[in-house]
Amino acid sequence: DTGVSQDPRHKITKRGQNVTFRCDPISEHNRLYWYRQTLGQGPEFLTYFQNEAQLEKSRLLSDRFSAERPKGSFSTLEIQRTEQGDSAMYLCASSLGGFRGLAGEDTQYFGPGTRLTVL
Amino acid sequence: KQEVTQIPAALSVPEGENLVLNCSFTDSAIYNLQWFRQDPGKGLTSLLLIQSSQREQTSGRLNASLDKSSGRSTLYIAASQPGDSATYLCAVRRLRGGSQGNLIFGKGTKLSVKP
Repeated sequence: DTGVSQDPRHKITKRGQNVTFRCDPISEHNRLYWYRQTLGQGPEFLTYFQNEAQLEKSRLLSDRFSAERPKGSFSTLEIQRTEQGDSAMYLCASSLGGFRGLAGEDTQYFGPGTRLTVL
Repeated sequence: KQEVTQIPAALSVPEGENLVLNCSFTDSAIYNLQWFRQDPGKGLTSLLLIQSSQREQTSGRLNASLDKSSGRSTLYIAASQPGDSATYLCAVRRLRGGSQGNLIFGKGTKLSVKP
């Protein structure tokens, strides 16, 4: 399977604990995105990387959240001191991110998501 | 601020019907618009991407149109099947301002196709 993969698929944690999620993008994709989705809502942007550089962070990404993409390949999203309001599906996507404006470059491909439940 | 709205929120149709899902956005300065499908508890599957310079895209029984000036897109599904049951999301990528790379999503239309 050469699609976007995420690990774990489900995570249940107690309030105050730290959690870390991993995303492996499609191998040749240089852009990687993190989104958060709550029930009945569309995904909301959190942050994105071009190669290893974190180019944009949403205001949703409080100081308890940190994301890395150390070698421009896989990425991790860590949430410290989790709160019940952090319960959501965390989605990762990747794209080729070319500069010619072609559909094949811009299309974002999503992983299956990590569902976080904070008790 | 870009806002994306999808109407209706839910739709139930009998198998075989043709149907249209609507998406509107408040800022016409978009780079492209993408339609996704999401099955319950799963990630998103990309269906069609329309660049801002294009009017429509087709894939199989799906046809997406874009009217950038009026801030609207439609997803047409021909000859619907029970397997089409899912939530359909549209998302726009902004042309300018911050966060150009990310997508802004609507809340989706939940489609149910009855056999």
